[in-house]
Order: sequence, then C-alpha cells, then structure tokens
Amino acid sequence: AQSVTQPDIHITVSEGASLELRCNYSYGATPYLFWYVQSPGQGLQLLLKYFSGDTLVQGIKGFEAEFKRSQSSFNLRKPSVHWSDAAEYFCAVVSGSARQLTFGSGTQLTVLP
Amino acid sequence: SQTIHQWPATLVQPVGSPLSLECTVEGTSNPNLYWYRQAAGRGLQLLFYSVGIGQISSEVPQNLSASRPQDRQFILSSKKLLLSDSGFYLCAWSKGTELINYFGQGTRLTVV
Repeated sequence: AQSVTQPDIHITVSEGASLELRCNYSYGATPYLFWYVQSPGQGLQLLLKYFSGDTLVQGIKGFEAEFKRSQSSFNLRKPSVHWSDAAEYFCAVVSGSARQLTFGSGTQLTVLP
Repeated sequence: SQTIHQWPATLVQPVGSPLSLECTVEGTSNPNLYWYRQAAGRGLQLLFYSVGIGQISSEVPQNLSASRPQDRQFILSSKKLLLSDSGFYLCAWSKGTELINYFGQGTRLTVV
C-alpha cells in the first residue's frame, strides 16, 4: 500500500532563514506527488506538484521541491521564509484510480520574528 | 472557473444527533468527489470517494456514510454522532483526466 511519511511534526525557523520540509513516500510505480499548505481553520492550497520530467519543480509563494527517486523523497524547500509561511504543510501522493490522495501526517511550521 | 462550496463552516452537535454536511462543485461536470477528515493532531484521512452519481466507495469503516444525489453534490451523513467523529472535514474534487485534488474550506465539527 502507498504511504507518505513526514518525519518532522513541528519545525521552527527564524524569518529570513532557509527551510526544508522532508517527505518520503512508498509507492510501487511512478508517484504523482504534491505539497499542500493549510492555514489555521482553512482548506488546503496546492503549493506544487510533480508528475514527471524535471525533478526540481517550482511552486507558488517561492517554494520548490525536488523529487529523488533513489531516496524516495520529495522535500520542500524555500530559500528565505516569511512570517506568512507559518502554517501546516502536507505531502501527498495519488494513491488510486479515482485520483484520491494519501497524505503524510503533516509538518507544522512556526516562523520566529 | 471551477469553485467548490462546503457548508457549514463550523458545527457543534450533541452525541447521538444526526449529521449532514454538504459539498457542491461549480464549473465542471462529472468530477471525482472526496471526503477527507483531519482529526486533532493527525493528518488527513480519506473517508469516501465517488466517481459518479450514486457511486460511493468507502475507505474506512465507521459511523459515517456518503451520498451523491447529483453530479456535483456530495453529502456526508451520520445517523448518530459519536464523540470520535469530531474533526475537520474537507471536501475535494478532481477532474477525471487530471490528478490534482482541489479542496473546499472545510467544516469544523465538534461533537459534545
């Protein structure tokens, strides 16, 4: 069965610092991978996706992610974090014929001034 | 453009009461529809999905049920709520030929 692991439950960074959120997946075929962000009490907004091709994908709000098949990873990065980036971040993989998603447990990001 | 509406935004219900959460999608036809739940301190879990009217697949056996009476309408129900049903419920849709799930704003359900 497909699974997604986000090893870091909570990460704290200072504003302006770089950020990397980890995501590892378990999937037999070529994975279709996503990063979503959730602000408190809100729905999920798509940050970026990887389907095929270039393994470094760019997303909204200055985020990027790199797909590494050899490491089964799809880590999210941002070179300089802004206070507005404080939120919960979810990594997900398409896991069925109906395009449903399997999510990681999420990483809560706190940004210090 | 496509939009997804989910209501109510918040709901407080007593144990044993019924539940009905509604989700509608506009601007597309024959979408795949999904209900996810986010329990406190946990990630998102797929509850139900539907690929067409009257077609419901359940991922997790539980106290809830789902129905799709119209092409773009997806309803989550319960006859008798349990305390463990509390959580944040998210409706989502995708186009059959695409892979992206688009999410509604969610419903915060508190069972007391």
